[in-house]
Amino acid sequence: KNQVEQSPQSLIILEGKNCTLQCNYTVSPFSNLRWYKQDTGRGPVSLTIMTFSENTKSNGRYTATLDADTKQSSLHITASQLSDSASYICVVTWFSGGYNKLIFGAGTRLAVHP
Amino acid sequence: EAGVTQFPSHSVIEKGQTVTLRCDPISGHDNLYWYRRVMGKEIKFLLHFVKESKQDESGMPNNRFLAERTGGTYSTLKVQPAELEDSGVYFCASSRRDRTHYGYTFGSGTRLTVV
Repeated sequence: KNQVEQSPQSLIILEGKNCTLQCNYTVSPFSNLRWYKQDTGRGPVSLTIMTFSENTKSNGRYTATLDADTKQSSLHITASQLSDSASYICVVTWFSGGYNKLIFGAGTRLAVHP
Repeated sequence: EAGVTQFPSHSVIEKGQTVTLRCDPISGHDNLYWYRRVMGKEIKFLLHFVKESKQDESGMPNNRFLAERTGGTYSTLKVQPAELEDSGVYFCASSRRDRTHYGYTFGSGTRLTVV
């Protein structure tokens, strides 16, 4: 069964600290893996997209890693800011029937406190 | 360019009533998708339009849900009659092409509450 599991479910850190979010998936065939940030009341916004041949991708203070062999990904946030408080969703693209399908994880809710 | 617009942002209806959600994709995006997040769960796929055609509606929960995209522009998702378990946030997304390196732009969602 195609699944995406994220950990932890929620996380509280202090402003300025780093954190790492985890994503494990069992999706096959695998097209790519995306990390999205979702602010409360808004839709998901893409942070990074990685294909199976890429093992790291950065977007400012966000760095995603991918190990296609172990089917694991992580999102590292450096020097967190209050505005980083949001849900972070790992999404794996599954190629089926000629089209891509997005399989979503349940997300990690991050709270950054001053 | 304007983003994906969804209307209304919130809707509270009674069980048994009908609700219609609307999504305006980014102009020129042939692909339009509906997703839903019920409380505490992950976002799940409902259906995929390519222009005005339904490419994949395997995620539609039952025949109380009807999606249309007349003319290949905006799309509507009607729930009739609504049940309590239909409560959740309905997201629409669009993309120019359904290729791996293209991004999906999501709308802000419609929060539906059935009471």
